[in-house]
Amino acid sequence: DGGITQSPKYLFRKEGQNVTLSCEQNLNHDAMYWYRQDPGQGLRLIYYSQIVNDFQKGDIAEGYSVSREKKESFPLTVTSAQKNPTAFYLCAVSQGTLNTEAFFGQGTRLTVV
Amino acid sequence: GNSVTQMEGPVTLSEEAFLTINCTYTATGYPSLFWYVQYPGEGLQLLLKATKADDKGSNKGFEATYRKETTSFHLEKGSVQVSDSAVYFCALGTSKFYFGSGTKLNVKP
Repeated sequence: DGGITQSPKYLFRKEGQNVTLSCEQNLNHDAMYWYRQDPGQGLRLIYYSQIVNDFQKGDIAEGYSVSREKKESFPLTVTSAQKNPTAFYLCAVSQGTLNTEAFFGQGTRLTVV
Repeated sequence: GNSVTQMEGPVTLSEEAFLTINCTYTATGYPSLFWYVQYPGEGLQLLLKATKADDKGSNKGFEATYRKETTSFHLEKGSVQVSDSAVYFCALGTSKFYFGSGTKLNVKP
């Protein structure tokens, strides 16, 4: 979706380094989400935020951290505590009200070597 | 709790064949239901949605009906094309979104 920008598209890091993935939106939506997708698998929720300065853990939050200082930005940090960080990371946004859909960015493929 | 189960793939069809991808859900409350499509190396794109029981979502020849009595939201298309080859995800939306594991569709010419 043109209103959601994830950068970079590809990212390589050495094991033990923290890395931050960017997600920016200009849709003025309240809710933002981070998902992890592994090859041939579905999406697993890492963190989500329904309002600025507030966020909640998803199903696989260990080894990740987020911040939501601005409505349009929801960066995800993959820390060295994440045991298997190589994956495809997807950011999504929604209006945050019931019956509204999520819109996705193009994703960041992180490879840790 | 909330969860989505969809049929495992891959599904391989010849062009112009009829497509069905099964999706069932468990939910508390009254969720919305969605189908998303993902092309290789890209994010998910919304294909269609339904917000209440008996609603039918449709787009680009795909359709799905929200069946509360069978807790299902099966995706159908009458005649698939090679360009429909992708991974399809069924999803349930409340305050969060819950996704199925995805079904890969391969359409052969």
